[in-house]
Amino acid sequence: NAGVTQTPKFQVLKTGQSMTLQCAQDMNHNSMYWYRQDPGMGLRLIYYSASEGTTDKGEVPNGYNVSRLNKREFSLRLESAAPSQTSVYFCASRVPGQGFEFFGPGTRLTVL
Amino acid sequence: KQEVTQIPAALSVPEGENLVLNCSFTDSAIYNLQWFRQDPGKGLTSLLLIQSSQREQTSGRLNASLDKSSGRSTLYIAASQPGDSATYLCAVRLYSGAGSYQLTFGKGTKLSVIP
Repeated sequence: NAGVTQTPKFQVLKTGQSMTLQCAQDMNHNSMYWYRQDPGMGLRLIYYSASEGTTDKGEVPNGYNVSRLNKREFSLRLESAAPSQTSVYFCASRVPGQGFEFFGPGTRLTVL
Repeated sequence: KQEVTQIPAALSVPEGENLVLNCSFTDSAIYNLQWFRQDPGKGLTSLLLIQSSQREQTSGRLNASLDKSSGRSTLYIAASQPGDSATYLCAVRLYSGAGSYQLTFGKGTKLSVIP
């Protein structure tokens, strides 16, 4: 039982490049979330998926797309990376009926 | 829109002191409130979760209180230790419909405990 895993741990991109951040959970949770954390800004919700096959925008969705591939996996895609997307990205999954989430270790992304 | 404010932004205390971290939120219709710890370059560790119907939760040297009507929570740390040095995040959870919940985070309080 690995909990919530994220790949890669670190990534450096050039402006305009694309990439996909991967997240997987092995706890059979329905809901999954993507957050970004910037210095002095706290964590902000990018997208979430209440269940397999559904996705919804959070507070800061612009510049991102998501895919809920199956119940285990929820990926975040940057189609054309911008320096403003330099951040730490956290994935989380929610424990049904328990009212809290497990967080992954984060992906540290730098866009030059 | 829910807003979460944490005061102070940074705090430095000598080892052994008791301390209080503050969190306030604008929408009192919360499902629950959670306190996290984050070490530099690391992920989030959940410390305490308080349901909206509860007034406080305790875990070891940590005690969190919730006053939903006034939109406030406090995290009390007793007998602080250098190992408590970290950033402490407060987050409130709202029900957003269709079985989904959303967390709104404060910006955190960076705590330094000086030996």
